This record gives sequence, structure tokens and C-alpha cells, in this order.
Amino acid sequence: DVKVTQSSRYLVKRTGEKVFLECVQDMDHENMFWYRQDPGLGLRLIYFSYDVKMKEKGDIPEGYSVSREKKERFSLILESASTNQTSMYLCASRWSTDTQYFGPGTRLTVL
Amino acid sequence: SQKIEQNSEALNIQEGKTATLTCNYTNYSPAYLQWYRQDPGRGPVFLLLIRENEKEKRKERLKVTFDTTLKQSLFHITASQPADSATYLCALYTGGFKTIFGAGTRLFVKA
Repeated sequence: DVKVTQSSRYLVKRTGEKVFLECVQDMDHENMFWYRQDPGLGLRLIYFSYDVKMKEKGDIPEGYSVSREKKERFSLILESASTNQTSMYLCASRWSTDTQYFGPGTRLTVL
Repeated sequence: SQKIEQNSEALNIQEGKTATLTCNYTNYSPAYLQWYRQDPGRGPVFLLLIRENEKEKRKERLKVTFDTTLKQSLFHITASQPADSATYLCALYTGGFKTIFGAGTRLFVKA
């Protein structure tokens, strides 16, 4: 079974803090994604990575950056957290154009 | 503009009945469409994939139809059970790296 893990289930941070969310997958998938999910808005793509050190902006990259130094690990960085970044963050991975496998999510609250 | 719509209102049905969820889209030509299940506070879990040249797909009590003329997919759960209560997400893959997710429909199955 594919396993995607995220570093924290719940996180509380203060405005202006730098926040790191980490995602690890164990199936040697090429593609990894970061989404945020807000009520009524569905999943919105923040960033995508198709290989080590390669990344593409999604629909809402502002205020975020990413890092992929190893194939299995994809990190999302909030450079200076703001209250409007309070959300559920979901990481996913997939092989090529196939189905996406999601992690359990990180509920981030920015105070 | 491109849009994907699912019933925003929750669907309440009695145990044993068939639940039918709708996914409508505009201005896309998806290569395939997927359905995911999401439980509260969890990441989505893949259920079924149907390709543009397929009309219907089944898996146990689940059935998905795909009408590219109507631009609609229907997701059916037969003999529904309280354990089927969850949010169900429709997702379109149109090529490249992007998958477009609907906001989901919440299903409640009463015993």
C-alpha cells in the first residue's frame, strides 16, 4: 500500500512565523503536490513537483515556497505565516498521470 | 470560465437505499474523471477512475457513469450503509500535471 505521511496533524503558529510542513511518500512516485482545502472551495493546488529539485506553481502559490531535495520528500514553507493561511494542508503523490494518493493532512491555525 | 460543480447541499438517505451524487463540469475536456472519499479531518482516498471513452465503471457497491456530451458524472452507492457517510469529491484530469477537484458532496446515511 502506498503511504504518504505528513509531519504534523495539527499545528498552531503565530503571525509572521516561518512554518515548515513536510511530506514523505514511500512508493518512489515522481510527482508530488501540495494543496490547501477550505470549506466550500475544494482543493486548491499550491505547488507541484515532477522530479527532485523541480517545481511548478499551482493556482495559489503566493506566500508559499517548496523544496524537494530527495525524491520521497516534499516540503511546503510558509515564509511569514498570516491568518489567511489558516487551513487544511494536504500533500499527495502519484506515478506519472495516475491516481493521487493523499496524506492525512495538517490542520494549520495561524493566530 | 472553467468550473466543476457538485451538490453543495448534503445528501441524506436511509440505510439500504441507493445514493446518487452528481458532478457537472463546463469548459473542460477531461481525459478521465475520478471519485474520492474524504472522512472528516482526513485526506481524500481514491475510489474509482473512469476514462473519457468509458460510459460506466463498477466496483463492488459503487458505480460511476460518465457522459462527456452532458459533461456530467454520476456516482452511485447501492445498498448504502451508515459507514458510507462521508464527503465525496469529484476530480477531473485534463492533461499535464493538474487535476481539478470539486468542493465535494456530504453524504449522511441514516440507520
